[in-house]
Amino acid sequence: DAKTTQPPSMDCAEGRAANLPCNHSTISGNEYVYWYRQIHSQGPQYIIHGLKNNETNEMASLIITEDRKSSTLILPHATLRDTAVYYCIVRGYNTNAGKSTFGDGTTLTVKP
Amino acid sequence: GAVVSQHPSWVICKSGTSVKIECRSLDFQATTMFWYRQFPKQSLMLMATSNEGSKATYEQGVEKDKFLINHASLTLSTLTVTSAHPEDSSFYICSASRSGTSGFNEQFFGPGTRLTVL
Repeated sequence: DAKTTQPPSMDCAEGRAANLPCNHSTISGNEYVYWYRQIHSQGPQYIIHGLKNNETNEMASLIITEDRKSSTLILPHATLRDTAVYYCIVRGYNTNAGKSTFGDGTTLTVKP
Repeated sequence: GAVVSQHPSWVICKSGTSVKIECRSLDFQATTMFWYRQFPKQSLMLMATSNEGSKATYEQGVEKDKFLINHASLTLSTLTVTSAHPEDSSFYICSASRSGTSGFNEQFFGPGTRLTVL
């Protein structure tokens, strides 16, 4: 699975959009980009995933660059409850039955 | 949505004892489950891949005789930390993989088990 690089930490004001970048320059053609988040002392929570098109769901939007070497997770209106560690992961469609390799993630702190 | 549970949510044990952690997929069958370990302020580290009815596959550096994994049914995998020592104190997280109709594997995580070895 491709390696990802994320900034270690970011701050965001409550109510504003949080944009979390991820670099995955070695991603291969059949690998998807997944985003999870982990609130303190809980298991990771799935947020969104995509292959090459931008995706949106009730939690967030995922913007993937045309060359697929990077992506941005957007939380449109961050709340204090969005404070968490956000992990960007790349993995194949059905490779290894969904096995995920976690990097260091980005600690997002939403401030009042 | 798919739910994965873990039991217990936290456990404290004495050094030298064994501790069993259960991971259950509550509303789907999971042929594959994964076990992760997370130390404070660190990321999740994959320990092993557990397949129903077969031996688990351990990641490099993880002692298979110390971390016994059993995946006897499609909804239950257990991790037993044998002869636990203080350095085994950690947050243990399992995940279960659900196969969709198109072959796509979704992964759902449990809430984690906090193990403290005194």
